[in-house]
Amino acid sequence: DTAVSQTPKYLVTQMGNDKSIKCEQNLGHDTMYWYKQDSKKFLKIMFSYNNKELIINETVPNRFSPKSPDKAHLNLHINSLELGDSAVYFCASSKGGTRTDTQYFGPGTRLTVL
Amino acid sequence: DQQVKQNSPSLSVQEGRISILNCDYTNSMFDYFLWYKKYPAEGPTFLISISSIKDKNEDGRFTVFLNKSAKHLSLHIVPSQPGDSAVYFCAASATGLQGAQKLVFGQGTRLTINP
Repeated sequence: DTAVSQTPKYLVTQMGNDKSIKCEQNLGHDTMYWYKQDSKKFLKIMFSYNNKELIINETVPNRFSPKSPDKAHLNLHINSLELGDSAVYFCASSKGGTRTDTQYFGPGTRLTVL
Repeated sequence: DQQVKQNSPSLSVQEGRISILNCDYTNSMFDYFLWYKKYPAEGPTFLISISSIKDKNEDGRFTVFLNKSAKHLSLHIVPSQPGDSAVYFCAASATGLQGAQKLVFGQGTRLTINP
């Protein structure tokens, strides 16, 4: 049983398209996150939701919109894709969002924008 | 402005010897530090952590050392095993955020254990 799953694993698309990445966790956690790993390999936080409430919203273009239909799901929708959006996107979840909680990561979605 | 830095992109160590991975940070508000391990095509997995009130935390073959005055932490793996070959990320967080843990990651060090 995969704890944190993401679909799709690979996504290749053209500039200007709109795409979504889905994330689901079966750990019963209250907090979920989206990270972006760019070409320089830095993992950077984008968003975090706690019980469907947006807690972290980093300086991310508003073309990126997270949506949390319930505690177990956090989807990432990207409008008008640009070349610079090419990256690996990781979803993660943690129990309650305190600073000592362990974050569990999904396997990542590699997005390539042509 | 990268607040967490891992200046060695790669490290090669012989099996059975000690692996030492280093990490520096600039934000003095960070008070909790973690190491994550990542295999290819997988997400990072938590390895070990340390609070700023301690200077050492040990878990089996893994020990993390924290030097607050130098804003430096290191991960020691001894003895190193082939299965330890992976990318290791250092991460840090600060208190003050309710409901979520905002981790700041370094860029990772690729560790290769040679038989």
